[in-house]
Amino acid sequence: EADIYQTPRYLVIGTGKKITLECSQTMGHDKMYWYQQDPGMELHLIHYSYGVNSTEKGDLSSESTVSRIRTEHFPLTLESARPSHTSQYLCASSAGGQANNEQFFGPGTRLTVL
Amino acid sequence: DAKTTQPTSMDCAEGRAANLPCNHSTISGNEYVYWYRQIHSQGPQYIIHGLKNNETNEMASLIITEDRKSSTLILPHATLRDTAVYYCILNYGGSQGNLIFGKGTKLSVKP
Repeated sequence: EADIYQTPRYLVIGTGKKITLECSQTMGHDKMYWYQQDPGMELHLIHYSYGVNSTEKGDLSSESTVSRIRTEHFPLTLESARPSHTSQYLCASSAGGQANNEQFFGPGTRLTVL
Repeated sequence: DAKTTQPTSMDCAEGRAANLPCNHSTISGNEYVYWYRQIHSQGPQYIIHGLKNNETNEMASLIITEDRKSSTLILPHATLRDTAVYYCILNYGGSQGNLIFGKGTKLSVKP
């Protein structure tokens, strides 16, 4: 089993609140990712990081921001939550080798903004 | 856009082999074929990957055609717990290692 954790698992919050979704991994992986997935829909990459102090935006535009101060930690922040941010957020990590680049996913955070 | 084509859905009888096809006719020489699955709304789970040769692990087998334009994931003895969405994804690995998830194949294993 992969050692990647996300908290909280479920979050219901009001519009305008600032929230931070936590993601941590204990595998020493350099690469970490955030995906967004609406119910029954595809996963879309919104942020990724190839190492400490490295962050990039993914294929899907997102109002969220991320930081990578420590290898094991990759939090995602929404400064002012809106109902359109309601979705499931999945974090993943990988060692990122040429031949072995499998990503390990956390259990996800299901966010509902009222 | 995803560079692979998969059937939208498939059914399989419990205990039988499930063969999930994937077309990737524009695959590049150094792109690997990866398979993941997502059970209900859980995080996706890595299954297997390969470059040219057929691969087998404890979960599944991956058969890649000689021209690499298509592949088949085989679950040898499907169980009800294998019901999930299965994604076939091309990936360079290394510095270009981001995954692009398509719609995948919804596999339903029936008793």
